[in-house]
Amino acid sequence: GQQVMQIPQYQHVQEGEDFTTYCNSSTTLSNIQWYKQRPGGHPVFLIQLVKSGEVKKQKRLTFQFGEAKKNSSLHITATQTTDVGTYFCAGPGGDNFNKFYFGSGTKLNVKP
Amino acid sequence: NAGVTQTPKFRVLKTGQSMTLLCAQDMNHEYMYWYRQDPGMGLRLIHYSVGEGTTAKGEVPDGYNVSRLKKQNFLLGLESAAPSQTSVYFCASSYYPGYRDTQYFGPGTRLTVL
Repeated sequence: GQQVMQIPQYQHVQEGEDFTTYCNSSTTLSNIQWYKQRPGGHPVFLIQLVKSGEVKKQKRLTFQFGEAKKNSSLHITATQTTDVGTYFCAGPGGDNFNKFYFGSGTKLNVKP
Repeated sequence: NAGVTQTPKFRVLKTGQSMTLLCAQDMNHEYMYWYRQDPGMGLRLIHYSVGEGTTAKGEVPDGYNVSRLKKQNFLLGLESAAPSQTSVYFCASSYYPGYRDTQYFGPGTRLTVL
């Protein structure tokens, strides 16, 4: 079945440092979504990427979708303590677009 | 708008007991989903519904049943709880299929099975 792998599992950074999480799929994705989950909270939608090679920015966050639509990345510039949380990528199943597969997430800790 | 709500927030069960988790949304969404979240494993889809009266199996459906008798409600049932079902359960909904639309998540239900 569809698998979405995410690395690293954990990342500890000093405030002001950059952070990147990577998402890789075993199959081509029609699109990919990114979510953020604060400690003790629920996942919150950040963005969706659809086109091959697409790059989208949200303030200090930059999202990329690979040319082959099999990988994606989220980069945060100059992290802040408010960035703490777990970041998930998610994509539809290749055999059934109603099924949605989440990566295992990258837990970001930011030291002030 | 309350968005997506879940009841209860916390529950402790003994092995073999049954319970029902309720998810309600007030956004007139067609699609609803139940996920479970375990440490280090992200969210895994249990069951989903593409509209009132419909249900379908997700990635990890065994041991769970669901019903969607009303468009705004999606119920998740555990007939005979097992310790392996200890997890945080999230409900989500979307207007269009989840792969092309934002999924809105509820606050979660933390279930412990002893």
